[in-house]
Amino acid sequence: RKEVEQDPGPFNVPEGATVAFNCTYSNSASQSFFWYRQDCRKEPKLLMSVYSSGNEDGRFTAQLNRASQYISLLIRDSKLSDSATYLCVPYPGGSYIPTFGRGTSLIVHP
Amino acid sequence: GAGVSQSPSNKVTEKGKDVELRCDPISGHTALYWYRQSLGQGLEFLIYFQGNSAPDKSGLPSDRFSAERTGGSVSTLTIQRTQQEDSAVYLCASSFATGAGNTIYFGEGSWLTVV
Repeated sequence: RKEVEQDPGPFNVPEGATVAFNCTYSNSASQSFFWYRQDCRKEPKLLMSVYSSGNEDGRFTAQLNRASQYISLLIRDSKLSDSATYLCVPYPGGSYIPTFGRGTSLIVHP
Repeated sequence: GAGVSQSPSNKVTEKGKDVELRCDPISGHTALYWYRQSLGQGLEFLIYFQGNSAPDKSGLPSDRFSAERTGGSVSTLTIQRTQQEDSAVYLCASSFATGAGNTIYFGEGSWLTVV
């Protein structure tokens, strides 16, 4: 099983839609999690950190299910500017090196 | 500086030449990472530095790749005898400390094309 698995998409949604991505991770000792967004030909940028059961920041909500080893990202009221690749990044326990998945591509269209 | 700075931003080199990529991390950040990303692929970990500790080189794909970090700050990634498959964007990142919960911040990357 890969350390991080994400549906690569792309997810094509209209403006205003609600969309959710899931990310599964294999290391049960992972202590914290991050969602990064990466625009085309740009570097990844931090979107949200998750240290407990979840986190919410405006239109973005992350939820962690440790029992099933997955983390989700929910985007409400999608904007055109949300179009990007979303990377799930668990921080494995006992390691100093975060693991990046391939990401999920989101395309928001008018 | 305000962010992670990388140079050059773009580099085109001939197969077989050596290249050096530079990274200047955020001031005060003790951890420094190199990743690379090929077109349409995910981030591939290359090497990690933390303070004065021995670097974690477990991600380097071959002995043509090496990296050093001088004075606990600036890092240089060297690729010897470049091959076409080395073409990718090389991303440097830094964080204030290590361990779970420490956000890493990326530079804009060095785009390498081997022709």
